[in-house]
Amino acid sequence: SQKIEQNSEALNIQEGKTATLTCNYTNYSPAYLQWYRQDPGRGPVFLLLIRENEKEKRKERLKVTFDTTLKQSLFHITASQPADSATYLCALALGAGNMLTFGGGTRLMVKP
Amino acid sequence: DTAVSQTPKYLVTQMGNDKSIKCEQNLGHDTMYWYKQDSKKFLKIMFSYNNKELIINETVPNRFSPKSPDKAHLNLHINSLELGDSAVYFCASSQDVGAGNYEQYFGPGTRLTVT
Repeated sequence: SQKIEQNSEALNIQEGKTATLTCNYTNYSPAYLQWYRQDPGRGPVFLLLIRENEKEKRKERLKVTFDTTLKQSLFHITASQPADSATYLCALALGAGNMLTFGGGTRLMVKP
Repeated sequence: DTAVSQTPKYLVTQMGNDKSIKCEQNLGHDTMYWYKQDSKKFLKIMFSYNNKELIINETVPNRFSPKSPDKAHLNLHINSLELGDSAVYFCASSQDVGAGNYEQYFGPGTRLTVT
């Protein structure tokens, strides 16, 4: 069956360092992959979308890579700040109607 | 201006009751969605709806039904509520469904507690 996996353990890093989050998927070849941020008690907020023919995409301190051979996307936050602490979700269009399927999310904690 | 809004924010009810959650978007989007986020924080799609088609995730019980009075609204009706329905429900919208190439805008969520 189709599956999207993110590291369920929280990622703790020091302020100023680069955070790297992983999203792995199986049994599918998506044309697009999306990343969202979710803060406690709030809905997810869209961050970045990357296409299968794009190896890398950047937005300010954020960078996403998409390796369709490894079936993996990496999400990087450079010069991390405590305000970056949140849960980060990756999502792919899978199944009927291309509805988005989300990974379980990785909680990032940036310590000052 | 709130892009996607939901009411109520909290809903506490007893088993067997019927309840509705309302959703409105002012983005002019053609497609709206309902998601369920359980206690383990997994966010699962329930429905995708635009003015052409309703797509239902096959795992959703038929006690759940979306109703769209117009393009800007997609309400969620739940009949005969069960304990396992307790979760946070999110409404979302996007310009179109596409192939996962349209970003989605989420509402603030409705926390449903069934006792």
